[in-house]
Amino acid sequence: KQEVTQIPAALSVPEGENLVLNCSFTDSAIYNLQWFRQDPGKGLTSLLLIQSSQREQTSGRLNASLDKSSGRSTLYIAASQPGDSATYLCAPGTGANNLFFGTGTRLTVIP
Amino acid sequence: SQTIHQWPATLVQPVGSPLSLECTVEGTSNPNLYWYRQAAGRGLQLLFYSVGIGQISSEVPQNLSASRPQDRQFILSSKKLLLSDSGFYLCAWAGQLNTEAFFGQGTRLTVV
Repeated sequence: KQEVTQIPAALSVPEGENLVLNCSFTDSAIYNLQWFRQDPGKGLTSLLLIQSSQREQTSGRLNASLDKSSGRSTLYIAASQPGDSATYLCAPGTGANNLFFGTGTRLTVIP
Repeated sequence: SQTIHQWPATLVQPVGSPLSLECTVEGTSNPNLYWYRQAAGRGLQLLFYSVGIGQISSEVPQNLSASRPQDRQFILSSKKLLLSDSGFYLCAWAGQLNTEAFFGQGTRLTVV
C-alpha cells in the first residue's frame, strides 16, 4: 500500500523567503502526483498536477518537481506571503485516480 | 466550468442515528467520484470511490456505505453512527484518465 511522508510537519518562515516542501512515497508505480493546499476547516484546493512522465510543473510562484523512480516530489514556493499560510498536501495517484495522502506540512508565513 | 457541492457543512448526530451526506458535481459527465475522511491529526483516508453509476469500491471496511444513484451524485450513508465516525468528510471528483482531482468544501461530522 502506498505510504506518503511529508517533511517537515510544520514550518514557520518570515515573509519573502523561498521555501521547499518535501514529499516521499513508497510505491513509484504512480500515474501522477498532485499538490493541494488546505486552509483550516476547509476543503482541498488543487495547486499543481504532475503527470508521471513529467519532471516538473509551474504555476505562478509555485514549482513542483517529481522524481518518480526515487519516490520523491518537492514543492518550491518563491517569495512567500502571509496568504500562503496553510497545510500543503501531496498526493500520488494510482489506478482509478486513487490518491494517497500524508499528513501534510503546516506552513506559517510571518508578516 | 465544473463545480462540486457537498452538504451539510457541519453536522452533529447522536450515536446510533443514521447518516446521509450528499455530493453532487456539475459541469462534467461520467466523473470518478470519491469519499475521503480526515480524522484529527491524520491524513486523508480514501473510503469509497466510484467509476460509474451503481459502481462502488470500498477501500476500508467500516460502518459506512456509499451509493451513486445518478451520474453526478454520490451519497455516503450509515445506518447507525459510532463515535469513531466523527471526522471531516470530503467528496472529490476527477476525470476518467488520471486527471486533476477537485474537492468539495467538506462536512464536519461530530457524533455525540
